[in-house]
Amino acid sequence: GENVEQHPSTLSVQEGDSAVIKCTYSDSASNYFPWYKQELGKRPQLIIDIRSNVGEKKDQRIAVTLNKTAKHFSLHITETQPEDSAVYFCAASQGYGNKLVFGAGTILRVKS
Amino acid sequence: DADVTQTPRNRITKTGKRIMLECSQTKGHDRMYWYRQDPGLGLRLIYYSFDVKDINKGEISDGYSVSRQAQAKFSLSLESAIPNQTALYFCATSDFTAQETQYFGPGTRLLVL
Repeated sequence: GENVEQHPSTLSVQEGDSAVIKCTYSDSASNYFPWYKQELGKRPQLIIDIRSNVGEKKDQRIAVTLNKTAKHFSLHITETQPEDSAVYFCAASQGYGNKLVFGAGTILRVKS
Repeated sequence: DADVTQTPRNRITKTGKRIMLECSQTKGHDRMYWYRQDPGLGLRLIYYSFDVKDINKGEISDGYSVSRQAQAKFSLSLESAIPNQTALYFCATSDFTAQETQYFGPGTRLLVL
């Protein structure tokens, strides 16, 4: 089955700096890669996703890149703000209703 | 997201007790999931259901059972709770569309003594 590894487990950045979180997946059939953000005491919520027919997707300060050959994808957050502090989870699936397999999560701390 | 609710929100129980966690949704989604969250282990899938007559085991189903009473309701049971089932439990829903987004409930924090 699919296995998703996520690094780093914790990341501290200064406000205004960029943050990058990386994930690798094992199943070459996976074609859907979402990222979820979980603020302290809250539920996970989707922030951005990408499908295997796209190499990069941006939404304001966040972007996701995908390298199908290497089977890894990354979340990029630019101009970090204190409200970006949260746990971020990557996930992978074969899409169209197949179950998601989540990474272990990254605790991002943005220091002001 | 108030469309997915979980009860109870917090529960303390003792080893060996049976406990049920309930999830309801008003989103009209056909797919429902139960996850467990532990520090450093992410979200692990316990069971999932793609419709009322479909129940599937996830990666960590041992010690758990589920019931899909209706499209809108999906319950998780611990038949005989043990301390290592202490965790944060999330229900989630999704629809069979190209969007694939899973919508999570607020979570149930369970402590097994």
